[in-house]
Amino acid sequence: EAGVAQSPRYKIIEKRQSVAFWCNPISGHATLYWYQQILGQGPKLLIQFQNNGVVDDSQLPKDRFSAERLKGVDSTLKIQPAKLEDSAVYLCASTGTSDNEQFFGPGTRLTVL
Amino acid sequence: DAKTTQPTSMDCAEGRAANLPCNHSTISGNEYVYWYRQIHSQGPQYIIHGLKNNETNEMASLIITEDRKSSTLILPHATLRDTAVYYCIVRASGADGLTFGKGTHLIIQP
Repeated sequence: EAGVAQSPRYKIIEKRQSVAFWCNPISGHATLYWYQQILGQGPKLLIQFQNNGVVDDSQLPKDRFSAERLKGVDSTLKIQPAKLEDSAVYLCASTGTSDNEQFFGPGTRLTVL
Repeated sequence: DAKTTQPTSMDCAEGRAANLPCNHSTISGNEYVYWYRQIHSQGPQYIIHGLKNNETNEMASLIITEDRKSSTLILPHATLRDTAVYYCIVRASGADGLTFGKGTHLIIQP
């Protein structure tokens, strides 16, 4: 089966610019997650969706980060405006209803200059 | 914050068993122990999980102590492709987000 798809794979922007990342989960997976991984650290959960509803966004910096999953399938994560400390890999993952396993995409590496 | 403690790094010779320890002394009765690994420049990959019984699959074995305060992931015959960061995670629900620590960087030596 096809895995979790993410694009772009790499993005370089200047601080104060905006950026958006896209994720297409595994077909039929109801739960979708966005994680931020700063260099040298483990991934940190930003937001979790169940279908098109938000389950947990407690660690999402809502003053600059937003995410949506309007039709309950693919999702976008946006940063506006970006700061230097937002440089990281942004990982998307999905889980099926009866799965214990999260399937991760390859990530988008963001560099903010 | 992560509820687990792992060594920062470990070495293992190719072909030998790699034993990765994890302490989770504050684990609750309804929390499972999960292991994921992350190969360089890839997303994390699920390995195995368990509640209190030992578990084995095609990738690894998971040994959980009787008091459930620690566990060991065993890769029976390590290969160079097993070089990765290994994360031990405790988690109550299969749908919850994962709380990663810094993990153990396992280096398989030829």
